[in-house]
Formats: sequence, C-alpha cells, structure tokens
Amino acid sequence: AQTVTQSQPEMSVQEAETVTLSCTYDTSENNYYLFWYKQPPSRQMILVIRQEAYKQQNATENRFSVNFQKAAKSFSLKISDSQLGDTAMYFCAFMKPSYGNKLVFGAGTILRVKS
Amino acid sequence: NAGVMQNPRHLVRRRGQEARLRCSPMKGHSHVYWYRQLPEEGLKFMVYLQKENIIDESGMPKERFSAEFPKEGPSILRIQQVVRGDSAAYFCASSPTGANEKLFFGSGTQLSVL
Repeated sequence: AQTVTQSQPEMSVQEAETVTLSCTYDTSENNYYLFWYKQPPSRQMILVIRQEAYKQQNATENRFSVNFQKAAKSFSLKISDSQLGDTAMYFCAFMKPSYGNKLVFGAGTILRVKS
Repeated sequence: NAGVMQNPRHLVRRRGQEARLRCSPMKGHSHVYWYRQLPEEGLKFMVYLQKENIIDESGMPKERFSAEFPKEGPSILRIQQVVRGDSAAYFCASSPTGANEKLFFGSGTQLSVL
C-alpha cells in the first residue's frame, strides 16, 4: 500500500519570503501522480499543483513549484513570495494510475504567513 | 459553472441518530468520491461511485455506513446510529471520468455527534 509522509506539522514564513514544504512517499509503482492541495480555514480543498511521475520536468504554477526527486521518493513544494492568503493547511497526495482516481493523503502541514 | 456542492455545511446529531450527507457533483461529472477527515489528520478515502454503481468501497466501515449515487439526484452518504467517533469533516469530490485526473472537491460537511 502507498503511504505519504509530511514530516513538518507546522511551518512559518515571513511575507514575501520563500518556504519549502516536505513530502515523501512510498510506492512500488513506476508510474503515478502527485499533488499538493491547499486547505484554507474555509475548509475548501484547492488543487495547487500536479506532477506526473513519468515527467522529469518539475511542475510550476505561478509562485508554486515542486522539487520532484523520483529516486528519493520526495516531492517538496516551494512557495515563493509568500502572501498572507497562502496561510492554510497543505496536503501532499499520491494517486496510482488505475481506474478510480483514489488519492492517498499525508497528514498535512500548517503554513502560517506572517506580516 | 457551479462547483461540487455539499450540504449541509454543518450537521449536529445526537448519538444513535442518523446522518445524511449530500453531494452534487460538478456538471458533467459522473464519478463521485467520499473522503473523511478526522481532526488533525489528512483525508482518508471512503468510497467511489459512478451513477447507480458502487465501484470501490474499500475505505468504508463495514457497519452503519452506506453510500449511493442514484441516476437522478445527489450522492448520499448515510451514517446510521452515529457515535462520537463519527465526528469529522466529510468531503465529496467529483471527476468527469474515472482515470488519472484531478478531483474537484466540495467544501465538506462537518458532522458533530453529541
């Protein structure tokens, strides 16, 4: 079974600074998908970024980018120019490419952006 | 284009009562997933449904929990005889097909059992 580990329960960053959230996973699959979701206090789950394991290039979405290290099974999220609105719980998630789109989530990292 | 709609947003039940949680997927989406989030934890998969079919219920507790997604109307997650341990946020997500794509989540239903 796949597992996802987020080793940082809480992180803080100053506004406009850069922060990196860690995620490691365990799988015997060669092809899969990885995601970062953001959950603000409103509780809405918002997709931040998606990475396909067969792609070597790291995914980027505006201020959000990932460092995908397939051999190390590591998938960290970098947030540049942090904004107060980035304050949220961030979840790393794994999906095996089988029928069903079943996501396996990590326990989450609370990120607080300070002014 | 409305997103995934869940209601109610908050639901309070006393022990032994029934809880019914509703989820309307995004327009054009025929695949629905239910996840549960316990306090201080990530979301855990419960069940995956297509219209009128349960495809994967490997995450559903064997007793008291059931789910349906009828041909017409929303998907329903039903919890009978609720206990305090059922208190959690229940999220619904949808997708247009069942293969290798991102899920669109609703805002969840917070169930509190007194």
